[in-house]
Amino acid sequence: EPEVTQTPSHQVTQMGQEVILRCVPISNHLYFYWYRQILGQKVEFLVSFYNNEISEKSEIFDDQFSVERPDGSNFTLKIRSTKLEDSAMYFCASSETSGSTDTQYFGPGTRLTVL
Amino acid sequence: AQSVTQLDSHVSVSEGTPVLLRCNYSSSYSPSLFWYVQHPNKGLQLLLKYTSAATLVKGINGFEAEFKKSETSFHLTKPSAHMSDAAEYFCVVSPFEGYQKVTFGTGTKLQVIP
Repeated sequence: EPEVTQTPSHQVTQMGQEVILRCVPISNHLYFYWYRQILGQKVEFLVSFYNNEISEKSEIFDDQFSVERPDGSNFTLKIRSTKLEDSAMYFCASSETSGSTDTQYFGPGTRLTVL
Repeated sequence: AQSVTQLDSHVSVSEGTPVLLRCNYSSSYSPSLFWYVQHPNKGLQLLLKYTSAATLVKGINGFEAEFKKSETSFHLTKPSAHMSDAAEYFCVVSPFEGYQKVTFGTGTKLQVIP
């Protein structure tokens, strides 16, 4: 069964460093998403992406975040200058369409630890 | 605006007894509703979804959920808990067409006692 994959599974970085989290969505999906889950808190939407541009973003997704689909398979989340409060589990998801009835399929997550 | 409330942060059941995980939602539209499960150190797996067809939805691993519009609820049930059901469960609401952001509940940790 096709699945969303994410690398790395765990990333440790120093505050102020740039990190790139990578995702490979399901191959025929057109919509891509990033969510994050700070330890002990709920899963929060960050951004959605379609047709090579951001279609929606939350207030969390400020100028230090960016997303890109650099080739036909990868979808990346870049955090330009990490802060301690960026430590979280980051989930990538993809869906075939953007309809509310469509299921978003989630990857296993990348645990980001900022020291 | 939309929101989802999971009424219990922790639920503990004995193996072989029924499971009930409660979820209430609010949405300005006719929403779609989902239940996801997260096992320790794993990603989010879809259990089932409601998309305005049958109000009783059957999912994987024997779980089902009933959409009750009058009560704005979408509770998750299973007749008999198994040890492998121990995980965190998230109720998720998605509004009507064209709006991609889904909203997660705070999650319910299910403990299954042997």
